[in-house]
Amino acid sequence: RKEVEQDPGPFNVPEGATVAFNCTYSNSASQSFFWYRQDCRKEPKLLMSVYSSGNEDGRFTAQLNRASQYISLLIRDSKLSDSATYLCVVNPNYGGATNKLIFGTGTLLAVQP
Amino acid sequence: NAGVTQTPKFQVLKTGQSMTLQCAQDMNHNSMYWYRQDPGMGLRLIYYSASEGTTDKGEVPNGYNVSRLNKREFSLRLESAAPSQTSVYFCASSLQIKVGNQPQHFGDGTRLSIL
Repeated sequence: RKEVEQDPGPFNVPEGATVAFNCTYSNSASQSFFWYRQDCRKEPKLLMSVYSSGNEDGRFTAQLNRASQYISLLIRDSKLSDSATYLCVVNPNYGGATNKLIFGTGTLLAVQP
Repeated sequence: NAGVTQTPKFQVLKTGQSMTLQCAQDMNHNSMYWYRQDPGMGLRLIYYSASEGTTDKGEVPNGYNVSRLNKREFSLRLESAAPSQTSVYFCASSLQIKVGNQPQHFGDGTRLSIL
């Protein structure tokens, strides 16, 4: 089982749609969680951290369910510019003292006009 | 503010050749990382440096060496390139490694092809 698993997609949605991505992680001791965005042939860029109580940044909402070990990202009112690969990222907290991140393989989102 | 800068952006090597990928950050970060990204595999950690003067192996270190030259610079060396090392290589940095909730900031990558 992969440490971080995501549906690879692609998710093809029309502009204005709401789309949700889920991600599961295997290490229950994981301490911190992120969503990164990666455009085609570009570097990953931090989209948002994921906090235990859930958090929102504009049209983006991230949630964490520790009991079920999954993370979600909700995008409302999708824009063409949201088209990218979304990477779920987990700090598995190996040994309790590292910032080594584990990256999911990403979910591809294509927003159609 | 440049952030994380990688050179070169593209490189083609023949099997057996050696080369060094350079990475520098200007954010005064303590920790630096080298990843490779292959289709369907996601980003995999090759080596990391928690702080100046220290380096440690990541998930896929075989065939690579690293040097943390100073706080700003972290280089990745392929001593004898193999076709299996064809990949996109990313350097990243974060403020410090012993605090969990630290995002990593990435350079724009080096596309390396080994023939």
